[in-house]
Amino acid sequence: NAGVTQTPKFQVLKTGQSMTLQCAQDMNHNSMYWYRQDPGMGLRLIYYSASEGTTDKGEVPNGYNVSRLNKREFSLRLESAAPSQTSVYFCASSVGGRTFFGPGTRLTVL
Amino acid sequence: QKEVEQNSGPLSVPEGAIASLNCTYSDRGSQSFFWYRQYSGKSPELIMFIYSNGDKEDGRFTAQLNKASQYVSLLIRDSQPSDSATYLCAVSKGNNRLAFGKGNQVVVIP
Repeated sequence: NAGVTQTPKFQVLKTGQSMTLQCAQDMNHNSMYWYRQDPGMGLRLIYYSASEGTTDKGEVPNGYNVSRLNKREFSLRLESAAPSQTSVYFCASSVGGRTFFGPGTRLTVL
Repeated sequence: QKEVEQNSGPLSVPEGAIASLNCTYSDRGSQSFFWYRQYSGKSPELIMFIYSNGDKEDGRFTAQLNKASQYVSLLIRDSQPSDSATYLCAVSKGNNRLAFGKGNQVVVIP
């Protein structure tokens, strides 16, 4: 039981490049989330998916898109990366009010 | 006013002492409250959750909730060097979304 997995662990992009962060969970949770964590800002919600087939914006959605591919997988796409998107990205899933986080992706945009 | 506030700076406590962390929240309708522990470079890990006014104990951890005053606290008894981490307070917003405070760093001095 791997829990929540994310790929890649580290990524460096140039401004304007695109990439997709992958996330999968094997806990059969309906709800999945993408958060970003910046120094001094805490964790902020980018997008979430309350169930398969639905996605909704969180607190900081600009510059991102998401896809809930199936119940297990929830991807985050940066279409044109900007230096302001340099951050640590955490995928999470939840059940019964309890949220479980993946190991994170450390993204640097130059 | 921020949704969740953790205002204390880094907290240094001697090994064996009690560490006390506080958190306030702005939405009086909030129902569920969580404490996460995050080691440097790692993902947040759920350590306590509380839904009702009063105290909830789990091992060396005690969470306290006062809905009338809109604050949540975490006590760590018999602090150990392994408790050195950042502690994040979170409040549920519906659809299991979480609003996080910025976190408090705890350093346990042997």
